Amino acid sequence: EVVLTQSPATLSLSPGEKATLSCRASQSVSNYLGWYQVKPGQGPRLLIYDTSKRATGIPARFSGSGSGTDFTLTISSLEPEDFAVYYCQQRSIWPLFGGGTKIEIK
Amino acid sequence: QVQLQESGPGLVKPSETLSLTCNVSGGSISTSFWSWIRQSPGRRLEYIGYFYYGGGTDYNLSLKSRVTMSVDTTKQQFFLKLTSVTAADTAVYYCARATWFGELFFDSWGKGTLVTVSS
Repeated sequence: EVVLTQSPATLSLSPGEKATLSCRASQSVSNYLGWYQVKPGQGPRLLIYDTSKRATGIPARFSGSGSGTDFTLTISSLEPEDFAVYYCQQRSIWPLFGGGTKIEIK
Repeated sequence: QVQLQESGPGLVKPSETLSLTCNVSGGSISTSFWSWIRQSPGRRLEYIGYFYYGGGTDYNLSLKSRVTMSVDTTKQQFFLKLTSVTAADTAVYYCARATWFGELFFDSWGKGTLVTVSS
C-alpha cells in the first residue's frame, strides 16, 4: 500500500515568510496530488488539485508542483489566516492522505 | 456553492451500528459523487468510501464489510452506516463531495461530527 509522508511535521514561520511543504509517496502511482488546509473546528478545504491547479477561490500565493513521488506545496507569503494544518492526498486503490504539516506562528 | 452538514449520535456503544446523515444544500445530490471520510485521534484522514446516485459505489477495502452508504434525493441527504463498531471507530466523521478532476479529490466538506464509541 502507498504511504504519503509529509515533512516537516511542524513549520514555525512568521507572517510574510515563504512556506514550503513536502509530500513524498512511497511509490509512484499517480502524477496527480491534492492539498487541503484544515483549521480548528472546520472541515478540510481543497487548495490544490491535479498537483498544480488551484481550487475555486484559492489565492495565488498557494502553488503546487511535483511529479512521480515528490510533491510540494508553496505558500509564497504567509498571511495570518494561513496558519493551519495541511494534508496531501493521492489516490492509489482508494484515496490516501498524508500525516499532515502544521504551520505555526513563530 | 454546495454546503454539507453532518448529523448523528455523538456516542455509540461497542458492537452497535453508527449511523450518520449528511445534508446537502446549494447543489443537486443527483449529479455528484458523495463521500465519507474520518479522522481518529492522532491519526491521518481515512477514506471510507463514496457513492454516486447512478448506483456506483467505492468503499475502502478495510471497512467494506461493515459500511453501507445510501441516499434520499427528496431530502437532499445521504447516509453512512457502519456496523459492529469498536473503540477504533471513534473519530471525527466528515461528509464531502468528491469530484473527478485528473483524479478523485474532495472539493466541498462538512465541518465534521465527533463520534465516540464507548459503553
